[in-house]
Amino acid sequence: QSALTQPASVSGSPGQSITISCTGTSSDIGAYNYVSWYQQHPGKAPKLMIYNVSNRASRVSNRFSGSTSGNTASLTISGLQAEDEADYYCSSYTSSSTWVFGGGTKLTVL
Amino acid sequence: QVLLQESGPGLVKPSQTLSLTCTVSGGSITSGGSYWSWIRQYPGKGLEWIGYVYYSGSTHYNPSLKSRITISVDTSENQFSLKLSSVTGADTAVYYCARLRSDYGDSFDIWGQGTMVTVSS
Repeated sequence: QSALTQPASVSGSPGQSITISCTGTSSDIGAYNYVSWYQQHPGKAPKLMIYNVSNRASRVSNRFSGSTSGNTASLTISGLQAEDEADYYCSSYTSSSTWVFGGGTKLTVL
Repeated sequence: QVLLQESGPGLVKPSQTLSLTCTVSGGSITSGGSYWSWIRQYPGKGLEWIGYVYYSGSTHYNPSLKSRITISVDTSENQFSLKLSSVTGADTAVYYCARLRSDYGDSFDIWGQGTMVTVSS
């Protein structure tokens, strides 16, 4: 199962909105609503942000939102804050009954 | 709240077996709907799902690693373990234990802090 495709990096200024894409196939993102997003700060473990495509995990700010269209999932962060600077990973359940991750996107807050 | 903590050697020789344990605290490993998983992160950042064990002992592995891995559970100790045999330098990574929740859209909602394992002679 190939990794999901994410842009290597995105950036935005404080207060702006950014969107991170995650492209898969009809065997993963396009087949199930089991898409999740994780935030990882340097030296820390990933933290669940979004599950089931668009549900925010416990205590996650409503500035974070998720969606899908076809084989592509998206994570949108509105009202960018300095603390949002981190790596973000998407993940999906697959038709092989496995889980696959994206390669990660580094978000820089300018 | 539930916390996970990995433990095990940080250095393993090529061809040997990597062994890690994850201790669950703040909750029971027999909690229904929780699948206790191992995930690794390569130095270049990529994440790979390794497999999971349910408290009953049933397992599910990544086919790419299936021939080399064993994941087991010890409910009396509230722990689960990973064994990866015949390791090479390609197995060098940070290894995380994580909880997979079926009622959270099959997502990994709790992660351990991770432990770096280097394969080198």
